Amino acid sequence: SQTIHQWPATLVQPVGSPLSLECTVEGTSNPNLYWYRQAAGRGLQLLFYSVGIGQISSEVPQNLSASRPQDRQFILSSKKLLLSDSGFYLCAWRAIDRAYGYTFGSGTRLTVV
Amino acid sequence: GQQVMQIPQYQHVQEGEDFTTYCNSSTTLSNIQWYKQRPGGHPVFLIQLVKSGEVKKQKRLTFQFGEAKKNSSLHITATQTTDVGTYFCAGQVGGSNYKLTFGKGTLLTVNP
Repeated sequence: SQTIHQWPATLVQPVGSPLSLECTVEGTSNPNLYWYRQAAGRGLQLLFYSVGIGQISSEVPQNLSASRPQDRQFILSSKKLLLSDSGFYLCAWRAIDRAYGYTFGSGTRLTVV
Repeated sequence: GQQVMQIPQYQHVQEGEDFTTYCNSSTTLSNIQWYKQRPGGHPVFLIQLVKSGEVKKQKRLTFQFGEAKKNSSLHITATQTTDVGTYFCAGQVGGSNYKLTFGKGTLLTVNP
């Protein structure tokens, strides 16, 4: 069966520090991968998506970046965090046949202080 | 760009009452999906609707996709405390095969 792992679960980082969040998927090949951010009490904002290794599409210009070094690995990064980067970051995958919905990871709660 | 509007933003009900959340898109959708997010948790996929006028049921939950494929609804009959959470709709536009646009969600609270 397919599983998605996302870590860490919580993170407190000072302003200006770097960020690296990792997401891996097991049990599937060539998934579509996504990074979403959810501000407190609000909806889901798509940040990046990837349809293959090295292929990244950015939805929102900001100081975040994403990379997909392996088929089932998706990384969200920042060189210098801002206070406004605080939020709940969710990784998700979807099978390429799109017969099913997104499967989300358990998320990372990031607080920038 | 594409927008998906969802109402109401909040809904508080007594246990046993019914609940409905509505979703409207500014553009015709190829499909619509519904998710549930429990407090402190992550969104969990409930269902996908593809056909115009489609109605699907999951126990006490009834999902509808409008004839014009621009609106959808989720109806819960006789709510229970386990139904508490935020319900999101998410629409996919034809041609944009890789991404969904999520509504802002409806937070449902149930008073026992």
